Amino acid sequence: AQTVTQSQPEMSVQEAETVTLSCTYDTSESNYYLFWYKQPPSRQMILVIRQEAYKQQNATENRFSVNFQKAAKSFSLKISDSQLGDTAMYFCAFMKHEGYGNKLVFGAGTILRVKS
Amino acid sequence: GAVVSQHPSRVICKSGTSVKIECRSLDFQATTMFWYRQFPKQSLMLMATSNEGSKATYEQGVEKDKFLINHASLTLSTLTVTSAHPEDSSFYICSARGLADYNEQFFGPGTRLTVL
Repeated sequence: AQTVTQSQPEMSVQEAETVTLSCTYDTSESNYYLFWYKQPPSRQMILVIRQEAYKQQNATENRFSVNFQKAAKSFSLKISDSQLGDTAMYFCAFMKHEGYGNKLVFGAGTILRVKS
Repeated sequence: GAVVSQHPSRVICKSGTSVKIECRSLDFQATTMFWYRQFPKQSLMLMATSNEGSKATYEQGVEKDKFLINHASLTLSTLTVTSAHPEDSSFYICSARGLADYNEQFFGPGTRLTVL
C-alpha cells in the first residue's frame, strides 16, 4: 500500500520569504501522480500543483514549485514570496496511475502560517 | 470550470435521525465521486468511491449500512448518514472526477455535520 509522510505538522514564515514543505512517499509503482493541495480556513480543497512521475522536469505554478526526487521518493513544495493568503493547511497526495478507479492517498498535512 | 457543490454546507441534527448530503458536479459529468471525512486539523480519510449507476465501494472499516451512498446520475451523488450519533459529527467532503482527466479530482466545499 502507498503511504505519504509529511514530517512537519506546523511551519511559519514571514511574508515575502520562501518556505519549503517536505513530503516523502512509499510506493512500488513506477507510474503515478503527486499533488499538493491547499486547504485554507474555508476548508475548500484547492489544487496547488501536480507532478507526473514519468516527467523529470519539476512542476511550477507561479510562486509554487516542487522538487521531485523520484529515486528518493521525495516531493517537496517551495513557496516563494509568501503571502498572507498562503496561510492554510497543505496536503501532499499520491495517486496511482490506474485509470478508472484511482484514489488519492493523503499525507497528514502541514499547517503553514504566514506572518506579517 | 470543474465546479463541485455540496448541500447543505452545515447541518445540525438530533441523535438517531438520518441526514442526507448532496454532492453535485455543476459543469461536467462526474463518472466517479469520492466521499471523505475530515476531523479538525487532520487529513482527509476516504470513506467510499461511487461510480454512476453502480454500488459504491467502501474503504475498510467504513460501515456501509450507516453511510449510504447513491450515485444515481452523472452529476449527483448523495451520502446519507443513517441513525446519526454524536461520534458521526465531522466535516464531510466530496470530490468528483470526469471523463476528461482521470487523474484530477475536483473538491466540493464540504459539509459540517453536528449530531446532538
